[in-house]
Amino acid sequence: AQSVTQLGSHVSVSEGALVLLRCNYSSSVPPYLFWYVQYPNQGLQLLLKYTSAATLVKGINGFEAEFKKSETSFHLTKPSAHMSDAAEYFCAVSEEDATNKLIFGTGTLLAVQP
Amino acid sequence: SAVISQKPSRDICQRGTSLTIQCQVDSQVTMMFWYRQQPGQSLTLIATANQGSEATYESGFVIDKFPISRPNLTFSTLTVSNMSPEDSSIYLCSVCSSSGNTIYFGEGSWLTVV
Repeated sequence: AQSVTQLGSHVSVSEGALVLLRCNYSSSVPPYLFWYVQYPNQGLQLLLKYTSAATLVKGINGFEAEFKKSETSFHLTKPSAHMSDAAEYFCAVSEEDATNKLIFGTGTLLAVQP
Repeated sequence: SAVISQKPSRDICQRGTSLTIQCQVDSQVTMMFWYRQQPGQSLTLIATANQGSEATYESGFVIDKFPISRPNLTFSTLTVSNMSPEDSSIYLCSVCSSSGNTIYFGEGSWLTVV
């Protein structure tokens, strides 16, 4: 079965600084990988997804993620943080035998300092 | 993308009672999923709701505690039975896109058991 590890439960950056949120999946390549964002008191919103079409995936709000098979990683980045990016970010992968079932990481809470 | 509506959005319930959460999708979908997000935790899949058949539950979740209905291709309900404070969570409905490679979530139902 798939598993997901998100390093760093809390990440704090300054406004305008690079955002890097880490996600590693288990050794077998999952069919799909996702990043979701959860703003305070809201549900989950899809940021971006990897579906094997391209290793560098661009999402909404200036976020992107790169799939690196050699590192079993799918880290999320944004060149310049904005105050409105403060939220919790979840990495998720699909099961190999049930691609519509997701396994979630434990989440990373991003704080953006003025 | 799919538009998913959940009711109630929030509720405070007495222990020992049951609450039914509704999920309505704006298009027909084969499978619907129910997730739980306990306070400060990530998301865990409760069950898959299939139209015309019984729901399939994940390990640790049982039908007596979380009965699910799926009367048609756009609607599902999840009941949280005989609630205890440990059931205080966000319950999220999700669906898979028609292409099968994107999972969308509702806004969630925020349940507090007192």
